[in-house]
Amino acid sequence: GQNIDQPTEMTATEGAIVQINCTYQTSGFNGLFWYQQHAGEAPTFLSYNVLDGLEEKGRFSSFLSRSKGYSYLLLKELQMKDSASYLCAVKDSNYQLIWGAGTKLIIKP
Amino acid sequence: GAVVSQHPSWVICKSGTSVKIECRSLDFQATTMFWYRQFPKQSLMLMATSNEGSKATYEQGVEKDKFLINHASLTLSTLTVTSAHPEDSSFYICSARDLTGGGNQPQHFGDGTRLSIL
Repeated sequence: GQNIDQPTEMTATEGAIVQINCTYQTSGFNGLFWYQQHAGEAPTFLSYNVLDGLEEKGRFSSFLSRSKGYSYLLLKELQMKDSASYLCAVKDSNYQLIWGAGTKLIIKP
Repeated sequence: GAVVSQHPSWVICKSGTSVKIECRSLDFQATTMFWYRQFPKQSLMLMATSNEGSKATYEQGVEKDKFLINHASLTLSTLTVTSAHPEDSSFYICSARDLTGGGNQPQHFGDGTRLSIL
């Protein structure tokens, strides 16, 4: 079966750094996406990885290791507005998006 | 770019009513759009993939006759929840992918429709 695992909830302090992990077992791999979803709102695209390595976009970075079936989203200089759920999604061999359950990130002052 | 508009954003109606939700890609053409449902504190659940000019592909467990999908043009897909009941109350979200630039473009989401059936 296809499976994506993320921690259910994480807590971090404003100004700090947090790493949200995602591991996956899917039938094939055609890319991994990270989305941010604030409560009651639709997801917004954050990053995309298809090759191994680190992709950096301002305060957010995403890393991929295909051999390990592993990715992480790194958030630096945390702000209160970063409190949200972060969704990991993998595109399988049929180009279908398989979604993780999301990680709820709570930022404390 | 890549804006998806979803309407209405909020619906409250009586049990037995049919509700139509529209999803439009405003600045790109989308041969494929996706319809998701999300219950509180749960992840996105793909309901169906909407294909322009052909029948939608429904996920297992999703009733085709209950959730009617029409994708009549390259910029518009509609989801109609027929004879809605309280258990259909949920957050419905559509997404679309701009295929210009290759098949690895992300899905862009509409703002979602919060459906409450009394």
